Amino acid sequence: DAMVIQNPRYQVTQFGKPVTLSCSQTLNHNVMYWYQQKSSQAPKLLFHYYDKDFNNEADTPDNFQSRRPNTSFCFLDIRSPGLGDAAMYLCATSRYGGPNSYEQYFGPGTRLTVT
Amino acid sequence: QKEVEQDPGPLSVPEGAIVSLNCTYSNSAFQYFMWYRQYSRKGPELLMYTYSSGNKEDGRFTAQVDKSSKYISLFIRDSQPSDSATYLCAMSVKAAGNKLTFGGGTRVLVKP
Repeated sequence: DAMVIQNPRYQVTQFGKPVTLSCSQTLNHNVMYWYQQKSSQAPKLLFHYYDKDFNNEADTPDNFQSRRPNTSFCFLDIRSPGLGDAAMYLCATSRYGGPNSYEQYFGPGTRLTVT
Repeated sequence: QKEVEQDPGPLSVPEGAIVSLNCTYSNSAFQYFMWYRQYSRKGPELLMYTYSSGNKEDGRFTAQVDKSSKYISLFIRDSQPSDSATYLCAMSVKAAGNKLTFGGGTRVLVKP
């Protein structure tokens, strides 16, 4: 089945220790998104890629970076995690220009704990 | 004030009841309205999609959009225990390649 895969599902890191979260997709979608979802809150878009074009949200902290080396993979790098960065990180994809271009397909998320 | 407001619940109903969920929003530029379902420790999955004002029905689910009131609703008929989840409304200005603005989600519990 075509899907969005996130690894790891659970990540524990220490305060200030860089961490990388991974997302891969078999849907061949040209748009990939990273959302941050804190407990009982709405997912908040951090940034998205349209193909290789990177689009950063204005209020995304500089501490968060992203890479998309190819169509299938996208990474979220947190350079110096703080306690406030503990959250669920959701990757999503969509196909711009397709018949259901409005639909974003979400992965299961990576739950990040910062100690 | 948040751009999209949604009552967090929890909303507890007996099996077979109608579940009524709603969101209000402030940005009149929103044109695309969606409802996502999120089970515990899983990513959201799209349930319903509506463009502009109007109603849309899909099986036990009905979505309504009233742009004049900036109010959207989701109704679940004949609710089942498997409907127990968090329901998130989401909106966007453009159809694709644009960010979704989510409500905070309403947790629903359907009791057998």
